[in-house]
Amino acid sequence: ELKVEQNPLFLSMQEGKNYTIYCNYSTTSDRLYWYRQDPGKSLESLFVLLSNGAVKQEGRLMASLDTKARLSTLHITAAVHDLSATYFCAVEWWDSNYQLIWGAGTKLIIKP
Amino acid sequence: DGGITQSPKYLFRKEGQNVTLSCEQNLNHDAMYWYRQDPGQGLRLIYYSQIVNDFQKGDIAEGYSVSREKKESFPLTVTSAQKNPTAFYLCASSSRVSSLNIQYFGAGTRLSVL
Repeated sequence: ELKVEQNPLFLSMQEGKNYTIYCNYSTTSDRLYWYRQDPGKSLESLFVLLSNGAVKQEGRLMASLDTKARLSTLHITAAVHDLSATYFCAVEWWDSNYQLIWGAGTKLIIKP
Repeated sequence: DGGITQSPKYLFRKEGQNVTLSCEQNLNHDAMYWYRQDPGQGLRLIYYSQIVNDFQKGDIAEGYSVSREKKESFPLTVTSAQKNPTAFYLCASSSRVSSLNIQYFGAGTRLSVL
């Protein structure tokens, strides 16, 4: 059974600082997804990482995947208040059909 | 505009009552999913469907039922057997045309017990 762990689960930081969210998973998978959820809202796809060494960047967010270490990171550079949200990673897994197995989410609060 | 529509946005259930949550998509996606989200937790899969007239149980299917009579629609019924139904329910769909499993989500239904 595939397990996905995110840490930290909660992060409060000041604007302008850098920080990294970690996503570890327990079984081999080559595909990992990052999503963002604003309070009380739905989930929005941020990044899809398809292979070992994949790196994707959008604005102040950069995601990377190391399939050998079973680790993905979401790095925030010079954080701004608008990035406050909960961030989820999800790992693709085959069990008679493709499914996404979700981490618990990292709630990020960025203070002005 | 293409997307996923969930209704209602808020729903209240009385003791012993079955309630149905609607999910409609016009993205022409084959696969549809229902997730439950409890406060401070990740998403847990209730049911999913890869094609019309076929669906599979997820991790927490007990107390729920679904149907997939049309490609566009995947309603979820929360039955009286689900003793703790209060949660945020999210419907999603995906297409594997490009071999990706990007799931697109509706706005969610928040279910509470009266």
